[in-house]
Formats: sequence, C-alpha cells, structure tokens
Amino acid sequence: QVQLQESGPGLVRPSETLSLTCEVSGHSIRSSYYWGWIRQSPGKGLEWIASIYHSGAMYHNPSLRSRVTISQDTSKDQFSLRLSSVTAADTAVYYCAREDYNSWSFDFWGRGILVTVSS
Amino acid sequence: QSALTQPATVSGSPGQSITISCTGTSSDIGGYDFVSWYQQLPGEAPKLILSGVVNRPSGISHRFSGSKSGNTASLTISGLQAEDEADYFCSSFTRGSTDVVFGGGTKLAVL
Repeated sequence: QVQLQESGPGLVRPSETLSLTCEVSGHSIRSSYYWGWIRQSPGKGLEWIASIYHSGAMYHNPSLRSRVTISQDTSKDQFSLRLSSVTAADTAVYYCAREDYNSWSFDFWGRGILVTVSS
Repeated sequence: QSALTQPATVSGSPGQSITISCTGTSSDIGGYDFVSWYQQLPGEAPKLILSGVVNRPSGISHRFSGSKSGNTASLTISGLQAEDEADYFCSSFTRGSTDVVFGGGTKLAVL
C-alpha cells in the first residue's frame, strides 16, 4: 500500500521560504507516476501547486511558478517543495500525493500538514 | 475563483440519490475524459472516488457514479447514507495554463 507523509515546520515567517518534504513508502518514486503537491487554504478548495516525475520532468501552477521549487531524492523515495516569499495567503494545509498521468488523478494522498504564515 | 464551478451545497435524505455538477470549458472538461472526483471527510485528506469520468478505484462503492455531457461533469451518489456527508471536489486535465484544475468543492449534507 502506498503511503505518503509530509513533514516540515508548521510556522513560517512572512517573506521567508516554506520547505516541506514528502516521504513515500510502499512504492518507489522511480515508478511511472508523477508526484505532486496540492494545498487547501482554510475553508477553501484545492489548489494544485506542482508535480515532478522521476526523470526530472516537472510542471508548475503558473500562478505560483516564480516562487515554487519542486525537487526529489529518488535514493530516499522523497520529494520536496520550497515556496519562497510567503505571505499570509500561503497559509494552508499542504498535501503531497501520487499523480497517475494516465487519468490525471491523484490516487494516494498524505494526511496533510498545516503551515501557518505569521510573524 | 476556482477554474471549475460546483454548487456550494447539496443536500439529500438517506436512501435518496443526489447529483453534484462540475462545469468547466472546452479546454478542460469538454475537451478530455480526464475528470476525477474526490471525497473529503471532515479533518481528512481528499480520497479519490472516480477517475476518467466513470472509473471507480478498488474499494469504492458502486453507489458512486460519474458522467459527462459537454463541458459539465456530474457525480451521482445513490442510496444516500449518513457516512456520505463530506465535501466533494472535481478536477480535470486542462490544456490551459495549468495541467490540473480543481472545482471549489461541494458540501453534501445528509439530512
């Protein structure tokens, strides 16, 4: 069974960089899937942030592209997200998930991590 | 503002059937059969319940079904149960500026 677990600080200061890591177990990220990040602001809908493939191919939400870095460590079955110059609007629950590009669906999700941007 | 439009709330009584709509454009829902639906129970992560418009992952009840007509996709839940009370989100592949877009979500109340 595929399991994903997000980790990182729950509080980030405004203008600083948010950094999160997703550890994948029960499955190799070198398989034929994308691995992505999605966020959900309090009481709001879902917003896809970025996804990465083991080949290094990646794609980003254009509205966040200038601030987003997605990377991976295939030796550890981990992938990471960095979001720079954060503001209160970036306060959200951040989820990592496996993305099946055959259907463009996210079929396994982590439990999510709440990141609050505040001084 | 979300790229796909869903009703904010839908309600039904146990045993009834309800339908949740998800409206997009010819650049997303209308152009591809890559519509997915997610169920989010309170305090939990979203869970995939339909992909490719009509396909249920293993373990998902047959009470959940999907369809698409033009630029609108629909999720139907039959034989409504109290445990179905949750938020439901649609998503679609898009050839627009992003590759995946989500709907704003629909809160289902089982009265």
